[in-house]
Amino acid sequence: AQSVSQHNHHVILSEAASLELGCNYSYGGTVNLFWYVQYPGQHLQLLLKYFSGDPLVKGIKGFEAEFIKSKFSFNLRKPSVQWSDTAEYFCAVNGKNSGYALNFGKGTSLLVTP
Amino acid sequence: GAVVSQHPSRVICKSGTSVKIECRSLDFQATTMFWYRQFPKQSLMLMATSNEGSKATYEQGVEKDKFLINHASLTLSTLTVTSAHPEDSSFYICSATPGGLNTEAFFGQGTRLTVV
Repeated sequence: AQSVSQHNHHVILSEAASLELGCNYSYGGTVNLFWYVQYPGQHLQLLLKYFSGDPLVKGIKGFEAEFIKSKFSFNLRKPSVQWSDTAEYFCAVNGKNSGYALNFGKGTSLLVTP
Repeated sequence: GAVVSQHPSRVICKSGTSVKIECRSLDFQATTMFWYRQFPKQSLMLMATSNEGSKATYEQGVEKDKFLINHASLTLSTLTVTSAHPEDSSFYICSATPGGLNTEAFFGQGTRLTVV
């Protein structure tokens, strides 16, 4: 069965701290991997995506993620968070086996304190 | 990036009535559109996949007679919640994709449905 697991449900960090959010997936076949962010009261925005090639992907707002195929992981990182990064973060996976429908993790709520 | 417009953004309806939500791809042709539901503080759950000109494919547990999906053109899909009840109150989100390998999906703004 296809599944996406996000290990951290709630994360609280101080500004300038480093961030790493874990994401593991279980999926048959070739996958595409995504991280989305949902700011309070707003719709989903794409942070970054991996289709193929360099497993280290850089996205918007200083975020990056690394695809480690052997670990079925796609962890999101940011060296120094800001208060404005407070949001809900979703890891998602799709592929041909799912008709390219996105399968989302449960999300991680990040609170950055001043 | 491509734009997906979802309308209305908020709707309040009486129990027993039907509500239609529209999802439009504004600057690309969407061969496939997806409908998701998001409960408060939870993730997005796929409800159905619709391909233009064919019947939608519903996920297990989603009532196809209650959530009617029509994808009549390459730029428009509609979700109709029929005979709505308070438990249908939720945040409904559509996404659209041009299709094919290595294409991302673009999301609408979502519709907050409240059934009273």
